[in-house]
Amino acid sequence: GAGVSQTPSNKVTEKGKYVELRCDPISGHTALYWYRQSLGQGPEFLIYFQGTGAADDSGLPNDRFFAVRPEGSVSTLKIQRTERGDSAVYLCASSLKGTDTQYFGPGTRLTVL
Amino acid sequence: QQQVKQSPQSLIVQKGGISIINCAYENTAFDYFPWYQQFPGKGPALLIAIRPDVSEKKEGRFTISFNKSAKQFSLHIMDSQPGDSATYFCAAKARGYNKLIFGAGTRLAVHP
Repeated sequence: GAGVSQTPSNKVTEKGKYVELRCDPISGHTALYWYRQSLGQGPEFLIYFQGTGAADDSGLPNDRFFAVRPEGSVSTLKIQRTERGDSAVYLCASSLKGTDTQYFGPGTRLTVL
Repeated sequence: QQQVKQSPQSLIVQKGGISIINCAYENTAFDYFPWYQQFPGKGPALLIAIRPDVSEKKEGRFTISFNKSAKQFSLHIMDSQPGDSATYFCAAKARGYNKLIFGAGTRLAVHP
């Protein structure tokens, strides 16, 4: 079956612009996670959804970052007023409810010029 | 959530050798310890995972050794192959939480 998919694979934007990153989890996975990976570092947690609700958004760095999952499947990470420091690979992962194994997508590489 | 400390940052091993990567943690609430493998341009892929109630888990050439009292765990790759060249991340998850906390990664190069 299909794994976690993310679009776009690459996004280049200018400082101050708004971007949306999309994640399509594995079918049937109710848990969805967003992580951010800076160059040469491990992924850092941003937000976790169980179904449609954000169960843990403690990793969002500031109020410019927001994520939604309106129907409990696809999720969109939204970044307002992008800054150069937002440049990173944004990873999405999903898991079955009640299990610990997280399956990661290929990521979206965001570059803010 | 306290961090997970991973070493070494980089590792060079000859084909057929044993690769060993170490991680240490402080939070005794951690109850799940996975290892992920990541190739350039790809997302992390789960290799093997362990819980603190066992001291060792083996899957093929990959073994996790877990020392609960020392709060350390390590990944051993036996008979390392050039195709194992990748970045490896240890991670941990605390009881009652769902997020993974990752180490900084180890870049492994296996030379033929």
